[in-house]
Amino acid sequence: DGGITQSPKYLFRKEGQNVTLSCEQNLNHDAMYWYRQDPGQGLRLIYYSQIVNDFQKGDIAEGYSVSREKKESFPLTVTSAQKNPTAFYLCASSSRQGANYGYTFGSGTRLTVV
Amino acid sequence: AQSVTQPDIHITVSEGASLELRCNYSYGATPYLFWYVQSPGQGLQLLLKYFSGDTLVQGIKGFEAEFKRSQSSFNLRKPSVHWSDAAEYFCAVGARTSYDKVIFGPGTSLSVIP
Repeated sequence: DGGITQSPKYLFRKEGQNVTLSCEQNLNHDAMYWYRQDPGQGLRLIYYSQIVNDFQKGDIAEGYSVSREKKESFPLTVTSAQKNPTAFYLCASSSRQGANYGYTFGSGTRLTVV
Repeated sequence: AQSVTQPDIHITVSEGASLELRCNYSYGATPYLFWYVQSPGQGLQLLLKYFSGDTLVQGIKGFEAEFKRSQSSFNLRKPSVHWSDAAEYFCAVGARTSYDKVIFGPGTSLSVIP
């Protein structure tokens, strides 16, 4: 079945360490997105990509980096510059270069700083 | 820029009772509107969406939503709630511009009493 796979489901990061969250989709979707979810704050957009080798900053990009070398993959790196990285991270994709078709979401990665 | 509010942080209903979750948006034109549902520790699933035309939209799992332009609202309803409907519900708004981005509301947590 087609969908979005996020891994790992749980991730623990030490202070000053970079970690990478994986997001893979087999839906042949053009656009992919990373959101951060904190309790009571809904979802906030970190980065998004509409085509391969191109991506744009969202509302809270500081301390994060992404790449889009393949259509299927959109990994997110949480760098040591992100001061409060503990959160639930969601990857999403859409079938066209736009939001009006609705998103398909992965099941998320919960990142905790230890 | 668009924005969306969900006035109710948490709602508790009895199983079999009717449900209405409120959503208000701010946007200069008619936006794209969505409702998503999230079970604990999971990603979001699209319940329904409004693009244009009939203002009463039917979705999955017996949900419906009504777009009211005069009130800038897109409330979600279900005539009879099941215990499995307990989850977090997010209203979202997308802009009808070349820069398509979806903004999510803070969410409403629904509890269902048996």
